[in-house]
Amino acid sequence: DAGVIQSPRHEVTEMGQEVTLRCKPISGHNSLFWYRQTMMRGLELLIYFNNNVPIDDSGMPEDRFSAKMPNASFSTLKIQPSEPRDSAVYFCASSTGRLLAYNEQFFGPGTRLTVL
Amino acid sequence: DAKTTQPPSMDCAEGRAANLPCNHSTISGNEYVYWYRQIHSQGPQYIIHGLKNNETNEMASLIITEDRKSSTLILPHATLRDTAVYYCIVRARSTGANNLFFGTGTRLTVIP
Repeated sequence: DAGVIQSPRHEVTEMGQEVTLRCKPISGHNSLFWYRQTMMRGLELLIYFNNNVPIDDSGMPEDRFSAKMPNASFSTLKIQPSEPRDSAVYFCASSTGRLLAYNEQFFGPGTRLTVL
Repeated sequence: DAKTTQPPSMDCAEGRAANLPCNHSTISGNEYVYWYRQIHSQGPQYIIHGLKNNETNEMASLIITEDRKSSTLILPHATLRDTAVYYCIVRARSTGANNLFFGTGTRLTVIP
């Protein structure tokens, strides 16, 4: 089992540029979550999908952020345009989506984003 | 969701049991206690969860008090690789559950 795969692992970009983060959930998992972690605010949920459908995006900070899940094995988180305050580690997590199992989430290694 | 209170940091000698406490005095009847940990520079890792009975798996044991207002995560023989931030989360285990609020957790340092 390869676990949750995220790419890139590190991204350095300049303010105003578009950034795309990618995630491949564990095969067979129906729920996918995007989190952001900073020293100031800790770990925050941005958005989560169930069966490829966005269920709750209330954590997305603003319109510059968007997320898609075109199929069960791939999701993207896009920031356009990026700003220095977006610098953080972005984690993707997945869970089986089975009844009563949403809270047992498996996290990827994260993408460390630095916006200059 | 019920709030949790954890000590900010703890030390434990290698090979000894690490006992990490968590208070959740406002927990409601349908809420479970979940434990995650985050080793430096890695994603959080699910450890264990429970409702009211004590639970054990290959990683740890979870002891929940009879009134369910507090719990203790036990790592029976701590190793240096157990050094991490440990998060206690209380959450209803239902469909549509979404936001795991991780809080600040307890930073456990295992000392050689």
